[in-house]
Amino acid sequence: KNQVEQSPQSLIILEGKNCTLQCNYTVSPFSNLRWYKQDTGRGPVSLTIMTFSENTKSNGRYTATLDADTKQSSLHITASQLSDSASYICVVSGVSGGYQKVTFGTGTKLQVIP
Amino acid sequence: KAGVTQTPRYLIKTRGQQVTLSCSPISGHRSVSWYQQTPGQGLQFLFEYFSETQRNKGNFPGRFSGRQFSNSRSEMNVSTLELGDSALYLCASSSRDRVTDTQYFGPGTRLTVL
Repeated sequence: KNQVEQSPQSLIILEGKNCTLQCNYTVSPFSNLRWYKQDTGRGPVSLTIMTFSENTKSNGRYTATLDADTKQSSLHITASQLSDSASYICVVSGVSGGYQKVTFGTGTKLQVIP
Repeated sequence: KAGVTQTPRYLIKTRGQQVTLSCSPISGHRSVSWYQQTPGQGLQFLFEYFSETQRNKGNFPGRFSGRQFSNSRSEMNVSTLELGDSALYLCASSSRDRVTDTQYFGPGTRLTVL
C-alpha cells in the first residue's frame, strides 16, 4: 500500500531555533516529492519540489533533502520565525499507466513560540 | 496575476442534496486538481483535469464528479451528500508543462453537511 508517513505529528520550538521534519514513503513508482506549508484556514503553499535525481532543494530558510534509496525526505527550517507556525505536508507523486497517483502525508503541525 | 479562486467559500447542505463547487485557475494554467481535506484523513486527491479531459482520478465514489471548461475553469459536483462529505475542498492549478510544475492552491470551499 502506498503510504507517506510524517514525523513528528506536532512540534513546538522557540523562535530563532532550527528544526527538521521527516517524511518516509513507500509510494511506487516515484515521480516527485513536494513539501507544502499550510496555514490554518488557508490552502497549501508549495515550498519545494524534488525529482528522483535531486537530493536537496532550498527555498529561503527552508531546505528539503531527498534520499530516494531509503525513501526518506526531510524539511529543515533555519532560524524559525513566528510566521513558520503552520502544518507542513509531504506529498509524493508517481506516474503509472499514464495516470498520476498522489499520496499525501498527514502533516506535521509546527508551532513557533516567542 | 490573480491567484486561484474558489466559490463559494462556505456552504451548508443537508444529507441527500447535491452541491457544485467552482474553481477558476491562474490565467494560463491548463491543469486543475481537486482535493478533499478532513481532520481525520488529511488531504486526499480527487481528480485532475487538463484541457477539459480528466487525466487522473483518486479513490472516491462515483458521487464525486467534475468537469473542466474550455477556459480551464473547473467545477466539482457531489451528489447525494453524506455527513462524511463535510470537508474543505481545495482546488489547485498548474501549467502542467512538466510533472514538477508548481501547484497553486485556492483558499478552498468549506462544505458542511447536516
